[in-house]
Amino acid sequence: SQQGEEDPQALSIQEGENATMNCSYKTSINNLQWYRQNSGRGLVHLILIRSNEREKHSGRLRVTLDTSKKSSSLLITASRAADTASYFCATDNTGNQFYFGTGTSLTVIP
Amino acid sequence: DSGVTQTPKHLITATGQRVTLRCSPRSGDLSVYWYQQSLDQGLQFLIQYYNGEERAKGNILERFSAQQFPDLHSELNLSSLELGDSALYFCASSVGSYRGLDSPLHFGNGTRLTVT
Repeated sequence: SQQGEEDPQALSIQEGENATMNCSYKTSINNLQWYRQNSGRGLVHLILIRSNEREKHSGRLRVTLDTSKKSSSLLITASRAADTASYFCATDNTGNQFYFGTGTSLTVIP
Repeated sequence: DSGVTQTPKHLITATGQRVTLRCSPRSGDLSVYWYQQSLDQGLQFLIQYYNGEERAKGNILERFSAQQFPDLHSELNLSSLELGDSALYFCASSVGSYRGLDSPLHFGNGTRLTVT
């Protein structure tokens, strides 16, 4: 079974609004990463957060990690039409197995 | 441009056939990962190589095999193909290490395999 599960499956917002996506996972991890995928293209790395970190920022992106709840969230502030894509979390576990979640499909309406 | 090159971009073949997908990692990256993406299964981790050696194995079928060559390029071989093998196959590379996903993965644009 997959390690990570994103929520919601789909999200539609107006340009300028904030978008929040959540990722839950099942077992202890070393690292968690977030990726973006435009339709039919390869995934693009957004941010990496280690298990001993609680929050990281990169531009308009903010990622939090709660290891006690086995969850992470990705916040995109002041969204743009170009942010329209699918977003995935990726986790590893102590067994060096790598899992991507099912993804959140984000649509930003101009 | 991620620097990861995958060939071919598209592949159409018949059931029972064998195909080889090729991946050239980003310059300087030692790890290569293979993933399968389909509508019903999502993105599935298949296998990882680090500097020529198999490092981690995921949900890779016995009909599939992979290797990483001394020049660090990798090939994924799919044999006895079935209709359900139709998917987008991604290669990703990273600087890599033994400690899991501790460096970003750089993805190629994938090979779209259609089995008819």
